[in-house]
Amino acid sequence: ETGVTQSPTHLIKTRGQQVTLRCSSQSGHNTVSWYQQALGQGPQFIFQYYREEENGRGNFPPRFSGLQFPNYSSELNVNALELDDSALYLCASSMGTQETQYFGPGTRLLVL
Amino acid sequence: AQKVTQAQTEISVVEKEDVTLDCVYETRDTTYYLFWYKQPPSGELVFLIRRNSFDEQNEISGRYSWNFQKSTSSFNFTITASQVVDSAVYFCALSDRSQGGSEKLVFGKGTKLTVNP
Repeated sequence: ETGVTQSPTHLIKTRGQQVTLRCSSQSGHNTVSWYQQALGQGPQFIFQYYREEENGRGNFPPRFSGLQFPNYSSELNVNALELDDSALYLCASSMGTQETQYFGPGTRLLVL
Repeated sequence: AQKVTQAQTEISVVEKEDVTLDCVYETRDTTYYLFWYKQPPSGELVFLIRRNSFDEQNEISGRYSWNFQKSTSSFNFTITASQVVDSAVYFCALSDRSQGGSEKLVFGKGTKLTVNP
C-alpha cells in the first residue's frame, strides 16, 4: 500500500448536486494530483496542488475545483454534477511537482 | 501533444506463459519520463516503473522486464512465467511538463491481462 488514502470509497449523487472528495497524501509528500477515470478508459489529469495552490490544470471546466491544506491533504469539489461525471476519482501524492506519483484507492462516484 | 497508445485491449494467457504488453508514445519533449502502473480490480493504481528518456537500458525486476526503444518510441513490458495474481489492467503513461512546474501523466487506455490457471 502507498499510504495515500481517499474518502469516501463510494458515493451516489443526483444531477445538479455538489460533491466533495478527500485525499490524504503519503507521509513526506507535498504535492497532490487528481485524476478522473471513466469506465474502460485511462485516468485523465484534472489538476495538481502544491503548497496549497493549483499548480497545473487539465481540460476540465471550472466547476471542478480543489483545495490543499497545510498538512498537504486535499479536496476535490465538483459543482452542478452531470451524468458524465460518473467515474473513479483518483488522488496521487508525490514528493515534488515532478516526482513519481503514488495513487490512492480512489472514490467511485455515480451520478443519477 | 503527448499521446500514449496501447493497442492491445485485452490479453488472455495461461499461467506460466510469458506475455508482453505493448506501449507506443508520441512526444515533442526531448526529456520525458515513461511509467507503467498496474490496476487490480480494487481500483488502486500500483506504480511499477519510471524510466528517464535518456536511459535506454532495459530493466529487470524479478519476473518483470521493460524494453525501452527510443528509435521506435516504444516502452514494452514483459511478464515472465505469468501468475494468476498478475491479472489486472496495466497502464503505460508519459510525463507532460508543458504547464510550467507541474508534471501530469498522460495515460494510455490500458491493457486488460487475464492469467488463467
